[in-house]
Amino acid sequence: QLQLQESGPGLVKPSETLSLTCTVSGGSISSSSYYWGWIRQPPGKGLEWIGSIYYSGSTYYNPSLKSRVTISVDTSKNQFSLKLSSVTAADTAVYYCARVHPQHDAFDIWGQGTMVTVSS
Amino acid sequence: EIVLTQSPATLSLSPGERATLSCRASQSVSSYLAWYQQKPGQAPRLLIYDASNRATGIPARFSGSGSGTDFTLTISSLEPEDFAVYYCQQRSNWPRIFTFGPGTKVDIK
Repeated sequence: QLQLQESGPGLVKPSETLSLTCTVSGGSISSSSYYWGWIRQPPGKGLEWIGSIYYSGSTYYNPSLKSRVTISVDTSKNQFSLKLSSVTAADTAVYYCARVHPQHDAFDIWGQGTMVTVSS
Repeated sequence: EIVLTQSPATLSLSPGERATLSCRASQSVSSYLAWYQQKPGQAPRLLIYDASNRATGIPARFSGSGSGTDFTLTISSLEPEDFAVYYCQQRSNWPRIFTFGPGTKVDIK
């Protein structure tokens, strides 16, 4: 059964870069046509899509975050990663990684999420 | 950019009652519309994809309908575990971006 697990620092200082990794287990990140995404949720608020990446490396980003976001994939480690630069308190959120079904463009498997706080 | 609007923001119902949740898109999204359920402290769970198809393991009391700009999630008879927040989500053709609605909270009356 495919599982996703986010990892990374829970506390990031303002103006620094937030870095998270999603490790995929129970299947290969590059063995199928699925693609992968990051979604975040500020405390008490709704869901915001950050961006998605195909196993080939093609990326799509939320226009509101595009200038600060980089998503990459490491097939040798069965991981994909998120970097968000120049963070502020507004980037404090639970960050989820998820698998995207290519035919239905829906997030069908999610990680448990990791809380990231931006504070000095 | 396509904007999704969900109504009502909160729906107060009793177990056994029927829940009808609405999601409206600012322009047509064809049938690329999904619904998710999220309980406190948990990741969202996919319920419905392509507007009307139940995801694996989702009970038959959950159903989705609609196309174009107006979509509905119906829970035919609320079970205690159904009280949660529900989000709709779409994917636009170009640019290939995803958008979530603001959510509808279904709470116990």
